[in-house]
Amino acid sequence: KNQVEQSPQSLIILEGKNCTLQCNYTVSPFSNLRWYKQDTGRGPVSLTIMTFSENTKSNGRYTATLDADTKQSSLHITASQLSDSASYICVVSPYNAGNNRKLIWGLGTSLAVNP
Amino acid sequence: NAGVTQTPKFRVLKTGQSMTLLCAQDMNHEYMYWYRQDPGMGLRLIHYSVGEGTTAKGEVPDGYNVSRLKKQNFLLGLESAAPSQTSVYFCASSRGVGEQFFGPGTRLTVL
Repeated sequence: KNQVEQSPQSLIILEGKNCTLQCNYTVSPFSNLRWYKQDTGRGPVSLTIMTFSENTKSNGRYTATLDADTKQSSLHITASQLSDSASYICVVSPYNAGNNRKLIWGLGTSLAVNP
Repeated sequence: NAGVTQTPKFRVLKTGQSMTLLCAQDMNHEYMYWYRQDPGMGLRLIHYSVGEGTTAKGEVPDGYNVSRLKKQNFLLGLESAAPSQTSVYFCASSRGVGEQFFGPGTRLTVL
């Protein structure tokens, strides 16, 4: 069964510190892997989309990496800010999924950045 | 440019009542989607549309109906609400099979 598992489930860090969130998946073959940020009470917002051939992609202070051999991805947040407090969700699109109709959504990592 | 908007933001229904959730997007996207988000579960696709006048079932379509009469609007209907449909509903749109843009969500409680 295709699965996406994220760790840790929750994380608390101090403002200004870096952190790394993990995503392990069993979806194979896959087309792309996405990271979303979801603020409390809001809809998810796309951070990065990586195809199976990409190893890294950055969006400001957010850097996602992908190792298709080990089926692992990570999201690294640099110099965290209070506004980074949110849930970060890893999403995998199976190969030939088409129309985004078979996306596999992780449960997310809840990040709290404290002053 | 408002992006994706959803109405209403909150709603409380009694079991058996009906309602319609409205989603509108101003990005001229072909594809639109309805998801539900429940605690301890990833987002689940209810229905989707690949263009005006077309709809298709997603992962959890039972108890819901949809319509896409205009390209910019995607309606989600509950004909006879049940407590199991208590959830947060998100609408999304995309130009193709890539990045999806989400609305702010509708929080529905069915008593």
